[in-house]
Amino acid sequence: QVHLVQSGAEVKKPGASVKVSCKASGYTDTSYAISWVRQAPGQGLEWMGWISAYNGDTNFAQKFQGRVTMTTDTSTSTAYMELRSLRSDDTAVYYCAIQMETLVPPDYWGQGTLVTVSS
Amino acid sequence: QSVLTQPPSASGTPGQRVTISCSRSSSNVGLNIVNWYQQLPGAAPKLLMYYDDQRPSGVPDRFSGSKSGTSASLAISGLQSEDEADYYCATWDDTLDAPVFGGGTRLTVL
Repeated sequence: QVHLVQSGAEVKKPGASVKVSCKASGYTDTSYAISWVRQAPGQGLEWMGWISAYNGDTNFAQKFQGRVTMTTDTSTSTAYMELRSLRSDDTAVYYCAIQMETLVPPDYWGQGTLVTVSS
Repeated sequence: QSVLTQPPSASGTPGQRVTISCSRSSSNVGLNIVNWYQQLPGAAPKLLMYYDDQRPSGVPDRFSGSKSGTSASLAISGLQSEDEADYYCATWDDTLDAPVFGGGTRLTVL
């Protein structure tokens, strides 16, 4: 069973950056991708981008291009998502989710990381 | 506006059968593989159905999925109070090369 464990809640000021980690276990193959999806309070799921653990390829939603970086460390099976120039409307729960096959939506999800942006 | 359209709400009484629909906004584009997720209050989304109609281990057979052309459906039979949650559908968008999600359906058990 795949298990994703994310880093803890963060409180940031507007203009700052946040970096969230997501450690995978229970899956030894590196041919997977990690999507990052966020959910603002009371809202639906918003896909931000994905990164391939196999070759580091990325694809970002246009809305986040230039403001987000996604990386992976295959030695520790950990993915990272950094969002810069934070605004108050970036306040949300950020989820990592694993795609164990190509061209299909994510399977298993992390527990979520609450990022609060407030002055 | 989500690429996939779901009704914002659904409801039923214990024991009833409820169906939640998920359709592609661009009706001339078929749906790729559809997954469904259940999100209980305060929790992360959980995979409920994959490959249109396959249940992961541990998901009761009261849940079933189907797909035809540009729409998919999630059916829940024998509704129980613990089924009260938000349900999301998702598929792969070939043009975006990304997963796309429905707006979610809040299921209330009356």
